[in-house]
Amino acid sequence: DTGVSQNPRHKITKRGQNVTFRCDPISEHNRLYWYRQTLGQGPEFLTYFQNEAQLEKSRLLSDRFSAERPKGSFSTLEIQRTEQGDSAMYLCASSTQDSSGNTIYFGEGSWLTVV
Amino acid sequence: GQNIDQPTEMTATEGAIVQINCTYQTSGFNGLFWYQQHAGEAPTFLSYNVLDGLEEKGRFSSFLSRSKGYSYLLLKELQMKDSASYLCAVRVSGGYNKLIFGAGTRLAVHP
Repeated sequence: DTGVSQNPRHKITKRGQNVTFRCDPISEHNRLYWYRQTLGQGPEFLTYFQNEAQLEKSRLLSDRFSAERPKGSFSTLEIQRTEQGDSAMYLCASSTQDSSGNTIYFGEGSWLTVV
Repeated sequence: GQNIDQPTEMTATEGAIVQINCTYQTSGFNGLFWYQQHAGEAPTFLSYNVLDGLEEKGRFSSFLSRSKGYSYLLLKELQMKDSASYLCAVRVSGGYNKLIFGAGTRLAVHP
């Protein structure tokens, strides 16, 4: 499969625990994005990487959230001290350098349920 | 601020045509996207408009009027598998694909 890959696909955790999600983008894509989506809403932008540099972070990304892309390939999104409000689907997407409209691809998402 | 509005729900009959409208007010504009999302799945790309006018792609067409901050997605010859959410998204930055999404329109196609 040459698409964007995310794991785990589903995670149930107790409030207060830490969770980490991984995203493997399409191999030639140097741009990587994280979005969050709750039921009945569209995805909300969280952060953007170009290669290993994190170039933008949304105000939605509180201090409990951290994202990395250490070698400019895969990325991780860690949520510390999870809260029930963190329950959502976390989507990763990747794209190439060019500004063509249809080169952003989403992964299948990682569902987080905080109980 | 960023504001993208689209109807919450629509219903249509198999074989018919449906138009899903989207209006936007954003701090920047560098293209408008439509995505399809089935329940529990990732959004999949349908269409992209950056200039005014109509883009046609098989059974799907998308229209953009930048002066009016308006777009629509037209689905023809509806099939049951078209039952899904349709997301309107604006690319607000010219430098990269930061997308601002609407809440989505849930389309139910009935026999």
